[in-house]
Amino acid sequence: DAMVIQNPRYQVTQFGKPVTLSCSQTLNHNVMYWYQQKSSQAPKLLFHYYDKDFNNEADTPDNFQSRRPNTSFCFLDIRSPGLGDAAMYLCATSRGGGAPGELFFGEGSRLTVL
Amino acid sequence: AQSVTQLDSQVPVFEEAPVELRCNYSSSVSVYLFWYVQYPNQGLQLLLKYLSGSTLVESINGFEAEFNKSQTSFHLRKPSVHISDTAEYFCAVRSLAAGNKLTFGGGTRVLVKP
Repeated sequence: DAMVIQNPRYQVTQFGKPVTLSCSQTLNHNVMYWYQQKSSQAPKLLFHYYDKDFNNEADTPDNFQSRRPNTSFCFLDIRSPGLGDAAMYLCATSRGGGAPGELFFGEGSRLTVL
Repeated sequence: AQSVTQLDSQVPVFEEAPVELRCNYSSSVSVYLFWYVQYPNQGLQLLLKYLSGSTLVESINGFEAEFNKSQTSFHLRKPSVHISDTAEYFCAVRSLAAGNKLTFGGGTRVLVKP
C-alpha cells in the first residue's frame, strides 16, 4: 500500500502558468521533503518541513514555494514555471528526532513545461 | 560538508553475471548510508541501509553492501543480476552533523543485457 502519494503523476503546463503538486502521507512522519530531479541527475533538495517549521535550501529559486497545512499533506507551488523547471518532483518523508533513518519517497510528479 | 561519489555513471552487465557499484562518501562524523533504486518514471525505493551494527547489510532481492569506515566506502554488489535489475542506483548519506540532510551521489545506471 502506498504510504507517500503524489498527485498528479504527470502534469503539463504552459510557460508561466502556475502549477501545484501535492503530496500526502500515511506514515505520520514529522518531516516532509521536496526534491527536484532532472533527467539523468541525482535528486536535489528544494526544501523541507520539520512539523510546521519550513527550511528552504539556499539555492532554491523564489519561484518555488511550499505549504504544509497539516501533518499529512504538503504542496509544491511553482509560481511561474520556466522551461528549465521541467523535471520529476519527488516528495519524501522521514521520522524526526533520534538517529537518522531512511526517507520514504513517493512515485514522483513529472512536470512538462510547454 | 558531506558528499557522495559514485565512480561509475553507467555499468553494462550481462544477465547472471556479478555486478559491483562503487560508492565513496566524505563526512567527518558518524554516518548513515543508503542505497536507493529508481526504475524509469518512478520514485526512489530503498534497497538497503546501514545505520549501525553489522557492516554487511543485505536486501531481500540478493543485493548486499558493506560499510567500510577506513575506506569511507559503501559498495553495492549482487552475485548474479537479472534483466529486472536494470535501473538507476543512488548511494546516499545522512549525518547529524549535516543537519540530517540526505545527500545523494550522482547515480549509476545499470543496464542488464540478455
